[in-house]
Amino acid sequence: EAGVAQSPRYKIIEKRQSVAFWCNPISGHATLYWYQQILGQGPKLLIQFQNNGVVDDSQLPKDRFSAERLKGVDSTLKIQPAKLEDSAVYLCASSLGAAGADTQYFGPGTRLTVL
Amino acid sequence: QKEVEQDPGPLSVPEGAIVSLNCTYSNSAFQYFMWYRQYSRKGPELLMYTYSSGNKEDGRFTAQVDKSSKYISLFIRDSQPSDSATYLCAMDTNAGKSTFGDGTTLTVKP
Repeated sequence: EAGVAQSPRYKIIEKRQSVAFWCNPISGHATLYWYQQILGQGPKLLIQFQNNGVVDDSQLPKDRFSAERLKGVDSTLKIQPAKLEDSAVYLCASSLGAAGADTQYFGPGTRLTVL
Repeated sequence: QKEVEQDPGPLSVPEGAIVSLNCTYSNSAFQYFMWYRQYSRKGPELLMYTYSSGNKEDGRFTAQVDKSSKYISLFIRDSQPSDSATYLCAMDTNAGKSTFGDGTTLTVKP
């Protein structure tokens, strides 16, 4: 079974530029998550999708971050404009459902450096 | 104050040692308690999860949950160099929204 795929793996941009990350979840997984992991910290949930609808985006900085999940499969996360404090690893995860017992499978992440 | 606090480490132990990793939490609504392992430059992978209080064992790993004290632990027996990684505790109220600790980095020396 293929895992969660993410691209690019690394990205370096200047502040105020825009950037987009892509995630392809495990086939058949209805729930998709984007997390932000700052160095030395645990992952922080940015947004949770159930199929192509948003379940929770309470911690997404909506003035600069946006995310979509077209057709309930792939997802993109965009930052525009980027700030220095956005430097982090952006992790995508997927699970069969949205219950606490549903295992979340993580991708390798995209490491973003904002200069 | 964070909802989930994790002993920061880092921990360095000799091969074969017993390792204890711990987290405390403040949200009494948490029902699911997970431990993830994260190798450098990789995403977290689920090691174990426990529902409510009690112990759960899987090979060399034992997870303990004490809801009355809001305290969870992961024990690793006969630790191996391949166990060297960052261990993250995470908790869920059953909404699929996990709250993570900041991780403890473990090094097992041969």
